[in-house]
Amino acid sequence: DAGITQSPRHKVTETGTPVTLRCHQTENHRYMYWYRQDPGHGLRLIHYSYGVKDTDKGEVSDGYSVSRSKTEDFLLTLESATSSQTSVYFCAISESWNTGELFFGEGSRLTVL
Amino acid sequence: ELKVEQNPLFLSMQEGKNYTIYCNYSTTSDRLYWYRQDPGKSLESLFVLLSNGAVKQEGRLMASLDTKARLSTLHITAAVHDLSATYFCAVDDFGNEKLTFGTGTRLTIIP
Repeated sequence: DAGITQSPRHKVTETGTPVTLRCHQTENHRYMYWYRQDPGHGLRLIHYSYGVKDTDKGEVSDGYSVSRSKTEDFLLTLESATSSQTSVYFCAISESWNTGELFFGEGSRLTVL
Repeated sequence: ELKVEQNPLFLSMQEGKNYTIYCNYSTTSDRLYWYRQDPGKSLESLFVLLSNGAVKQEGRLMASLDTKARLSTLHITAAVHDLSATYFCAVDDFGNEKLTFGTGTRLTIIP
């Protein structure tokens, strides 16, 4: 199994509070992604990174920011959480864009009350 | 904007039967991926299809890609209960270093 660790795995927070989710990999892969999964929507890309300090937006990036200061860590921040951001968040990594195959973390379930 | 559509969204089938899940997409792409997700779990890579006409098989599952029709199929042969899961296809958003996922097909195999 690919070495991907997400933390926290479960979090309950209140509207308006900041939240940071962490994705840590031990595979030294270049590409890292944050997806959210909601019923009826499949997985939707929030942000992704193609190298240290190199990030770009996905299709549902509003209300989220990311940072990647080291190859192994990709942080997803909700500056002011809203109930619409209640979801399961998955981090994924990919070694090479030529193959594009993603390896996923175990997911972080976030509930915003 | 790339659109990826799967059908059916829900599929309940008896053990021993054959069925096919379809994945249509809206853009020119020759790279398509299938993933499996068990309830409450992460996603697991099943197949990587990297060219027109590609066919991959693993056990009772076979995936194929027709880039001209913008269609991939996931065929299940003689279904068994262990295949119950949600299956996602994902398409390379050509040149943009990211995958767009379909909404998934929830497959339930009934003994």
